[in-house]
Amino acid sequence: DAGVTQSPTHLIKTRGQQVTLRCSPKSGHDTVSWYQQALGQGPQFIFQYYEEEERQRGNFPDRFSGHQFPNYSSELNVNALLLGDSALYLCASSLRRVQGDTQYFGPGTRLTVL
Amino acid sequence: QQPVQSPQAVILREGEDAVINCSSSKALYSVHWYRQKHGEAPVFLMILLKGGEQKGHDKISASFNEKKQQSSLYLTASQLSYSGTYFCGTEMGNGGSQGNLIFGKGTKLSVKP
Repeated sequence: DAGVTQSPTHLIKTRGQQVTLRCSPKSGHDTVSWYQQALGQGPQFIFQYYEEEERQRGNFPDRFSGHQFPNYSSELNVNALLLGDSALYLCASSLRRVQGDTQYFGPGTRLTVL
Repeated sequence: QQPVQSPQAVILREGEDAVINCSSSKALYSVHWYRQKHGEAPVFLMILLKGGEQKGHDKISASFNEKKQQSSLYLTASQLSYSGTYFCGTEMGNGGSQGNLIFGKGTKLSVKP
């Protein structure tokens, strides 16, 4: 049973560029959440996708956008990169239910903006 | 809105016990505990739901005091493998959906031989 996978593992970009990160959820999961984790901090919620729509969004600018595909995989896009966007980007998948369910994290993509 | 974790760091000898606390200023629907080792993804430990029972497995257990909006993680007879940073992720309000998790800043646990 494959867990959450993310690609690429590492990425180096320069300021002003655009980046796309990818996530495949755990088998059987239909919801994908994206988090940004700065060094020494806890993960910070970016947004969540379910049924190919953004359902919830954290306090992130419009430069951060996403997409979910029919197979539940997801992409995170960041435009006009800033130095402060350097972080570990984590994708978490879960199964949407009435009660709370566990979010399982992928290994993350380490983004460095120079 | 971010939950407060305490202590920020703790050093243990193998076999000792530890308690990590997570407090919120808002009503909580659920608390999720994760452990993250350096350079790795957070690994799920357990979830506590409002109105639910205390959870636990092996030598790690947790409690959830809804009235105090607090959760505690208990690690007994610590092992070297317990080292890492522990995060609590909280889900606010009435729940009914998974929503977004708001994480604390983490508690760094180091277990020495």
